[in-house]
Amino acid sequence: NAGVTQTPKFQVLKTGQSMTLQCAQDMNHNSMYWYRQDPGMGLRLIYYSASEGTTDKGEVPNGYNVSRLNKREFSLRLESAAPSQTSVYFCAGGVVGEQYFGPGTRLTVT
Amino acid sequence: AQSVAQPEDQVNVAEGNPLTVKCTYSVSGNPYLFWYVQYPNRGLQFLLKYITGDNLVKGSYGFEAEFNKSQTSFHLKKPSALVSDSALYFCAVRDDYKLSFGAGTTVTVRA
Repeated sequence: NAGVTQTPKFQVLKTGQSMTLQCAQDMNHNSMYWYRQDPGMGLRLIYYSASEGTTDKGEVPNGYNVSRLNKREFSLRLESAAPSQTSVYFCAGGVVGEQYFGPGTRLTVT
Repeated sequence: AQSVAQPEDQVNVAEGNPLTVKCTYSVSGNPYLFWYVQYPNRGLQFLLKYITGDNLVKGSYGFEAEFNKSQTSFHLKKPSALVSDSALYFCAVRDDYKLSFGAGTTVTVRA
């Protein structure tokens, strides 16, 4: 029982490159979330998915897209990376208040 | 919008001493409040929650939190801190479909 897994753990991109962050959960949660964490700003919600087949924007969705491939998997895509997207990205599953987080992806955009 | 504030960026305590991490909230209606902890290079872990009922909420790892409606606070406490409690702590409030997190408080417990 791995909980929530994320790949990759680290990534360096050049401005304008694209990439997809992968997230999978084995806890059978309906809801999944993508956050970014920046120093002094806590966590900010990028997108969430309340159930398989649905996705909705969070606080900071610009520059990102998501796909809820099935109940287990929820991916985050950066179509054209920008230095402002340098951050640590966390995926989570669970209900609104009690969420289970993955280990994070540290992304640097140069 | 619902929000929380953590007034201290850092808290330093000696091992064995009481630990308090402060959080104040601003909500319309009844607050749903939460504490999470983040150890270095890890994701956040749920510690405890207040939905309704007793003002003193007990959580994981010996932590508890006190809900105070008159002071709009939800402070996290531990009677006797351990070096292993050194981490980043986040207060959060339910805001419709999402959680709004505070900026976080770094706790350092020295041996």
